[in-house]
Amino acid sequence: DTGVSQNPRHKITKRGQNVTFRCDPISEHNRLYWYRQTLGQGPEFLTYFQNEAQLEKSRLLSDRFSAERPKGSFSTLEIQRTEQGDSAMYLCASSPRSSGRADTQYFGPGTRLTVL
Amino acid sequence: SQQGEEDPQALSIQEGENATMNCSYKTSINNLQWYRQNSGRGLVHLILIRSNEREKHSGRLRVTLDTSKKSSSLLITASRAADTASYFCATDATSNTGKLIFGQGTTLQVKP
Repeated sequence: DTGVSQNPRHKITKRGQNVTFRCDPISEHNRLYWYRQTLGQGPEFLTYFQNEAQLEKSRLLSDRFSAERPKGSFSTLEIQRTEQGDSAMYLCASSPRSSGRADTQYFGPGTRLTVL
Repeated sequence: SQQGEEDPQALSIQEGENATMNCSYKTSINNLQWYRQNSGRGLVHLILIRSNEREKHSGRLRVTLDTSKKSSSLLITASRAADTASYFCATDATSNTGKLIFGQGTTLQVKP
């Protein structure tokens, strides 16, 4: 399977704990995006990378959130001191987008986070 | 924040009927995309329509785009029970980031 993969698929944690999610994009896709989706809503943009550079972060991404994409391959999203409001589905997408062109984003299955 | 609204929020039809979903957005766009999401799963890309296109077809799907009204519609013809899912429109409003702004989605139920 050469699609976008995410791990873990489900994570249950207690409030105040740190969690880390991983996303493996489609190989050779230079753009990687993180979105968050709460129940009954559409996904909301969090951040994106062009290769290893993080080029934009949403205001939704508080200082408790950090994302990395070392070497421009997989990416990690870490949430420190989790709060119940962080409970959501975290979606990763990748795109082969070239400058000035529009390209489809391919989404992974998501990581569902539950903060107790 | 959400880019716009989708209408209706929920739609229930019989197998074989057509389903039409509408999407409105607020800003100028480069393209608009439609995605499907089965319950608790990731999103599956259905179709992309660029701002200079007015209509596009893919199998049983037909998408229209009216940039003057900032609206789009997705038509699924001859629906099947397997089409039951949530459908989201998403706009790419910039030329550089590629980030998508999603609507709140339409939940479609196709009864066999």
